[in-house]
Amino acid sequence: AQSVTQPDIHITVSEGASLELRCNYSYGATPYLFWYVQSPGQGLQLLLKYFSGDTLVQGIKGFEAEFKRSQSSFNLRKPSVHWSDAAEYFCAVGAPGGSYIPTFGRGTSLIVHP
Amino acid sequence: GAGVSQSPSNKVTEKGKDVELRCDPISGHTALYWYRQRLGQGLEFLIYFQGNSAPDKSGLPSDRFSAERTGGSVSTLTIQRTQQEDSAVYLCASSLEASGATGELFFGEGSRLTVL
Repeated sequence: AQSVTQPDIHITVSEGASLELRCNYSYGATPYLFWYVQSPGQGLQLLLKYFSGDTLVQGIKGFEAEFKRSQSSFNLRKPSVHWSDAAEYFCAVGAPGGSYIPTFGRGTSLIVHP
Repeated sequence: GAGVSQSPSNKVTEKGKDVELRCDPISGHTALYWYRQRLGQGLEFLIYFQGNSAPDKSGLPSDRFSAERTGGSVSTLTIQRTQQEDSAVYLCASSLEASGATGELFFGEGSRLTVL
């Protein structure tokens, strides 16, 4: 079974600073990897996803993530954070084939200071 | 509608009462998921429907929880004899395919359940 760890419960950054949110997964092969964002009072929205190929993937809102097989990681990055990026971020892993039920991490809450 | 619709958005109930939560997925999406999000927690998988196949109920926490999906579209999650630990946001998501070819789940805004 797959699992996801997001080691940081909260991250605080200043507006304009760079951001990296950590995600580690456990799965026997190469999984499908996702980052979702949940703004207050809203449902989850997909930021980006990795299936195969180029290990650096670009997403919406200026986010990117890098798949590192050797570290079983899929960290989310943004070079310059905006106040509107304050939200809850979830990393998720899906196992290709069969019953497709993505597993989500516990989330990282991003706080942005002006 | 354009997105996944859930109702009610908020539900306050007394301990021991039954509640029903509704999810209307995106038209044409064959896969439907229910997740639970407790305060400060991640998403906990509850149940998964794919087309006409038998649902995967492996995430339901107790026999007080049940769900059905009628006509391959609308789904209802029922919680009987609610307990305070059932308080959470219940999220519904749908997906175009279950094979993971696209992998993206489309989420509703959730139903916030408070059990007094």
